Formats: sequence, C-alpha cells, structure tokens
Amino acid sequence: DAKTTQPTSMDCAEGRAANLPCNHSTISGNEYVYWYRQIHSQGPQYIIHGLKNNETNEMASLIITEDRKSSTLILPHATLRDTAVYYCIVSPNAGNMLTFGGGTRLMVKP
Amino acid sequence: EAQVTQNPRYLITVTGKKLTVTCSQNMNHEYMSWYRQDPGLGLRQIYYSMNVEVTDKGDVPEGYKVSRKEKRNFPLILESPSPNQTSLYFCASRRMGLSNQPQHFGDGTRLSIL
Repeated sequence: DAKTTQPTSMDCAEGRAANLPCNHSTISGNEYVYWYRQIHSQGPQYIIHGLKNNETNEMASLIITEDRKSSTLILPHATLRDTAVYYCIVSPNAGNMLTFGGGTRLMVKP
Repeated sequence: EAQVTQNPRYLITVTGKKLTVTCSQNMNHEYMSWYRQDPGLGLRQIYYSMNVEVTDKGDVPEGYKVSRKEKRNFPLILESPSPNQTSLYFCASRRMGLSNQPQHFGDGTRLSIL
C-alpha cells in the first residue's frame, strides 16, 4: 500500500470548514483513498473514499488532485463532536488490509 | 442497526490464561478482520478472513488464533497470553465485491495481560 503523509495536528473554529490534507505521492492506479476518523479510542469510523473523482456524502467531501498524489478531506461545518484523529489511507481495489499511520489530530474549538 | 459487536469491552487477566474475544456482525459481510492498536504504532492487522473457513495472517499474527465457522462470527483466541499482547483490539468487517467497500469497525476491546 502507498505511504501517506498527514500533518500531525490542526485546529479549526466551530462552524468553519475543516480542510485536512493528505499526500500520497506513490499511489498506484488501482489504489483508493479512504478516510477514517477515531474519537478517543473508539472504533475507527469510516468517512468517505474515492478513486479519482471528487466525492461527497452526508459527512464530508473528498477532493483528489488530478495527478492523484494528494487529497483533501473537507468537513463543511465543523462541530465540537468532530474533534478526533483523522486517518488517510490508500489501499488497492482488491486489498483487504488497512494500515493506519499517525493521522491528523483535529481539534475543533468554540 | 448495522453493527460490529465485540465482547468483552475490557478485560484484565494474567499471563498464560487462555482467553477469547468474540466478534459478531449483522451485515452479512464476507470479510472480517482483527487489528491491534498500540501507541505510536497505529493500527496493525492480526488476522483476516474472506469467508467461512478461510483465514489468513496479517502483519502481526504471532500468539493469536482465529476461526471462522459461521459468517457472522470471527473470534480472536489468545491461547497463552503474554504482557506484550496488552493492547486495544478492533474487529472489522466489510462486504466483498465491487467498488472496494469500506471496513466497519467495532467499538474495541481493551486487554491488559499482567
């Protein structure tokens, strides 16, 4: 699986958009980009995933650059409950294992 | 409600005393997996199963066993637990097939081996 690089921590004001970047410059053509988050030792929660097109669901938007070497997770209106560690993972189409690195600790502040 | 259920949520036990952590999913998922999470090491896969009676090793299988006799259950067995298996454990499941379905995780089991 391709290695990912994320900032260690970020702050965001409540109600504002949170933009979490991820670099995955060695991504292969068949690898998807997944985003999960983990709130204080609870089970990782799936947020969104994509291959090359931008994706949106009820939780977030995922923007993938045209060369697929980086992506951004956008939480449009962050709330205090969005405070968590966010993990960006790349995994191939047929892959089953997810390798979680250090992630980004997002702190949403009032 | 679709969910992955692990039991127990917390367990403190002693070295060498066999234990089993159960995992059950109600989503009819073919794929199930066990991970452990340790500070500074992220989430590492222990074992996974792609269907009934099909299991395979992940990154860190030593000291663990699994079985998949039914589709919904995937227990993790520590035959002779040791202190280095003190960790936070997560079970996950996903649907196999097209579009690379995401994994869904349980709430975790915190094991302390004294």
